[in-house]
Order: sequence, then C-alpha cells, then structure tokens
Amino acid sequence: AQKVTQAQTEISVVEKEDVTLDCVYETRDTTYYLFWYKQPPSGELVFLIRRNSFDEQNEISGRYSWNFQKSTSSFNFTITASQVVDSAVYFCALIEGGAQKLVFGQGTRLTINP
Amino acid sequence: SQTIHQWPATLVQPVGSPLSLECTVEGTSNPNLYWYRQAAGRGLQLLFYSVGIGQISSEVPQNLSASRPQDRQFILSSKKLLLSDSGFYLCAWMRAGTGLNEQYFGPGTRLTVT
Repeated sequence: AQKVTQAQTEISVVEKEDVTLDCVYETRDTTYYLFWYKQPPSGELVFLIRRNSFDEQNEISGRYSWNFQKSTSSFNFTITASQVVDSAVYFCALIEGGAQKLVFGQGTRLTINP
Repeated sequence: SQTIHQWPATLVQPVGSPLSLECTVEGTSNPNLYWYRQAAGRGLQLLFYSVGIGQISSEVPQNLSASRPQDRQFILSSKKLLLSDSGFYLCAWMRAGTGLNEQYFGPGTRLTVT
C-alpha cells in the first residue's frame, strides 16, 4: 500500500536559517511520482515540484532544493536562507503510475521567525 | 491557462441545514476532479473524486455526496450538516491520462457548522 510520512509535525526556525523538511514514502510500484505542495495561511495549496521515480537528479529552484533518494525512499525539501514568507504548511505527496489519487503526508507546519 | 474556482469562500451553516459547494474548472477538458476536507490543524482527507461526468468515487462514508453534472463542474452536497462537517473544503483538478499528474487546487471554502 502507498504511504507518505512526514515525521516533523512542526518546525520553527529563525529567519535566514536553512531548514529541511523530511518526506519518506512507501510504494510497491516501480513507476510513481512525488510532489511537494505549500499551503500558506490563505489556505490554497500551491504546487511546488513533481519528480518521477526514474529521475533521481536533485533539483534547485532559487532558495528551494529537493533531494530524491530511492535507496532511502525519501524526497526531502530544503529551504536555504529562510524568509518569513516561507511560513506555511508543506505537504509531500505520492501517486503511483496510472493511479487516479494522490496520497498525502500529514504535513509539516513551518514557522519562520523574524 | 487553466483556472479553478470555488464558491462560496466562507460559509456558516446551522446543524441540520443542507449544503452545496461548487467547483468549476476552466481551460481544460475531461479533467479528474477531487474534493478534499481539511479539519483545523490537520492533513488532507480525500472525500470524492471523479474521472468523468456522472462518475463519482467515494472515499469516506459519511453524510456528504458529490455530483458531476458537467465536464468541468463538481458539486459537494449534504442534506443535513453535522458539527463534524466543519472544515476547509478544497477542490482540485488533474489532467487525466497524460502523465502530467500533479493536482491543482482551488482557493477553498471554509465551512463552519454551528
């Protein structure tokens, strides 16, 4: 069965610190996709990134970077030089190839203090 | 470009009253559509999804129902609301059958049952 675990319920750091959000997944399928979403206080979920199971290259987008490691079934998200605007709940999600539904982790609430 | 609309944005309803939340998508055809609920401080719970007009899959047995009367319209309903129905309701869409399977979310409806 599919499962996504975000063990960190809440993280609080001071602005400009680097922070890593952990995501561990379980799936029996060899074809799957992983996602990260951001939910700011307004509530709408914002899509950040998609990664497929055949592409383990790390990705960097500005201050955001993602580390995908199939050996540990992890897809971690790092924010470098965090800013107050990064405060949000972040969700990791998984979908198996051909499936219709995403499986979400429980989310990590990130608070960046000025 | 594609956009997804939800209304109303907020709603306060008494226990036992009916409910109708609407979601529409523009700029795409034959999308998969999803209803999620998020209780305060909690993760996302998938309620219903639809892969086509009139096709509804229910994930959680409860007093809610969903309908898809048109290709890009998804409605969440209840005949009699319970206190436990309070929460943040999110609609999402996903392209079907293309491998581009990230979901895009609407702005949400915050429902308070009193």
